[in-house]
Formats: sequence, structure tokens, C-alpha cells
Amino acid sequence: KQEVTQIPAALSVPEGENLVLNCSFTDSAIYNLQWFRQDPGKGLTSLLLIQSSQREQTSGRLNASLDKSSGRSTLYIAASQPGDSATYLCAPETSGSRLTFGEGTQLTVNP
Amino acid sequence: SAVISQKPSRDICQRGTSLTIQCQVDSQVTMMFWYRQQPGQSLTLIATANQGSEATYESGFVIDKFPISRPNLTFSTLTVSNMSPEDSSIYLCSVDVTGTGGETQYFGPGTRLLVL
Repeated sequence: KQEVTQIPAALSVPEGENLVLNCSFTDSAIYNLQWFRQDPGKGLTSLLLIQSSQREQTSGRLNASLDKSSGRSTLYIAASQPGDSATYLCAPETSGSRLTFGEGTQLTVNP
Repeated sequence: SAVISQKPSRDICQRGTSLTIQCQVDSQVTMMFWYRQQPGQSLTLIATANQGSEATYESGFVIDKFPISRPNLTFSTLTVSNMSPEDSSIYLCSVDVTGTGGETQYFGPGTRLLVL
């Protein structure tokens, strides 16, 4: 059974800092991995999708890396802004398009 | 991408009653998923719903408690039956969309359920 761990559970940083969110998973037989953002009381917004054959994906200030063999992914956020404040979730996909979610990292970026 | 809507957006229900949540997608999709997010926790997959076949439930979830319909390629419903306060959660539907970058799951805004 896939288990996903995200570290840290919470993070508070001043605006402008570069930061790294970590995700580890126990079953490396994944098809891809997605990073999501969840704002309070809202649904999920897909940020990045990394295929199992890829090492990284970039979108704007976001860069996600994947080391499938070691069961790790990181989300790098450059020049953080208060609008980045949200909970970030990683979710590797296994057979049957099943996503397993971590508990998330609650990020607060202070002006 | 896909645009997903859910109804109702929120509801307060009495224990012992049932609530049916609707999920509508703006394009035809093969696979739809239902998730539950209990307060302060992450998402847990309830079941996968494919059009034309019975839903596949994850361990810990049963059809009698969470019956699902999938009448066509753009619509699905999840019913939370005989509700108890422990069913208070956010219920989200999602769809799998294949694009140039691979398969991406998109989520609806969720239905916030409070059972008294």
C-alpha cells in the first residue's frame, strides 16, 4: 500500500524566500506524480505533473523534481509571495489512476 | 484541462438521512473519482466510477454506504447514506484527463457536508 509523507508539515517564511517542500513515497512503481495546491475551504488546483520517466518539471516560479527509485519528490518555490500561502499536496499515481495523497505542507508567506 | 462543478457546495444534514452529491464535467471523460477529506486530514479515495460499469470501491468503503451512479461520460453522483457525524467531510470528485504532458487529475470545488 502506497504511503506518502510530506515534510515539513508547516512552514512560515518571509516574502521573497526560496523554499523547498519534500515528499517521499514508499511504492516506487508509480506512473507519475502530481503536486497540488489547496486554499482554505477550496478544492485542489493542479500545479505540476511529472511523468515517471522525467526528472523535473517547471512552471513559472515552481520547479518539481522526481527521483522515482528513491521514492522522493521536491517542490521548489522561488521568490515566494504572500499569494503562495496555501497547503501543498503531493500525490503519486499508481495503477488504475489512483492518487495517494500526503498530509500536505501548510505554507504561510508573510509580507 | 477540465472544468468540474459540484452540487451542492455545502449542506447541513441530520443523522440518519442521505445526501446525493452531483459532479458535472465540461467534457467527456472515462474515469471519474470520488474522494473524502475529513477535517484536518488529506484526501482519501472512496471509489472509481467508470461509465457503463459498477464503481470500484477502495478498502474501507462499501457500496451500501456510498452508492455511486455514472449514467454518462460527463456526470456522476455519490450518495452518502444513513449519515452520522463521522461522515462530516469535504467530498470531492475528480477526473483524469490525458494531455500532451500525460494524465492529469482535475478536481471539483468540493461539497462540504456537516452532519448533526
